[in-house]
Amino acid sequence: AQRVTQPEKLLSVFKGAPVELKCNYSYSGSPELFWYVQYSRQRLQLLLRHISRESIKGFTADLNKGETSFHLKKPFAQEEDSAMYYCALSGPGTYKYIFGTGTRLKVLA
Amino acid sequence: SAVISQKPSRDICQRGTSLTIQCQVDSQVTMMFWYRQQPGQSLTLIATANQGSEATYESGFVIDKFPISRPNLTFSTLTVSNMSPEDSSIYLCSVVGGVGTEAFFGQGTRLTVV
Repeated sequence: AQRVTQPEKLLSVFKGAPVELKCNYSYSGSPELFWYVQYSRQRLQLLLRHISRESIKGFTADLNKGETSFHLKKPFAQEEDSAMYYCALSGPGTYKYIFGTGTRLKVLA
Repeated sequence: SAVISQKPSRDICQRGTSLTIQCQVDSQVTMMFWYRQQPGQSLTLIATANQGSEATYESGFVIDKFPISRPNLTFSTLTVSNMSPEDSSIYLCSVVGGVGTEAFFGQGTRLTVV
């Protein structure tokens, strides 16, 4: 079955602490992996995608095909990182997304 | 990038009635999608809105319940028909564009059925 799993509904960390939001996926083939973020009162927006292999707002994510994981990491959390984070995949050429249930990140002062 | 305007932003409706949600994009796009996010759940794809032909529905969603129109490359509507409280959700319009397969989303329509 095609599925994206985010095991944590809520993750609370203190400012300056490292953050890791977990994402595992199940897909027969080679999907494209994404992290989307929704800040308070804003619409869902792209944070980063695996093919770009870039760091956005200090966040990085490495695709591990062996473990079928795409965890999101940041070495030092900031209060402005508090948001809802969704891991998602898209099948090659389909443009259809499968989303995880999301993890709410709270960064405490 | 694409800017999507979706309306209404929220509504409270009586069961048995229908609500039409509008999605306007600031540029022509080939692919438009409608998602549903039930309380505490993930976003689930309802259908792909195709310009000039019938929408393509995902498993578990049917045209009679969620009729979709796509009259041109910048506009689509989703109707939630014969509503019940189980239809209370956030409904989102999405387009794919820009670099690769990046998706852009409307701000969503929060529907409450009473």
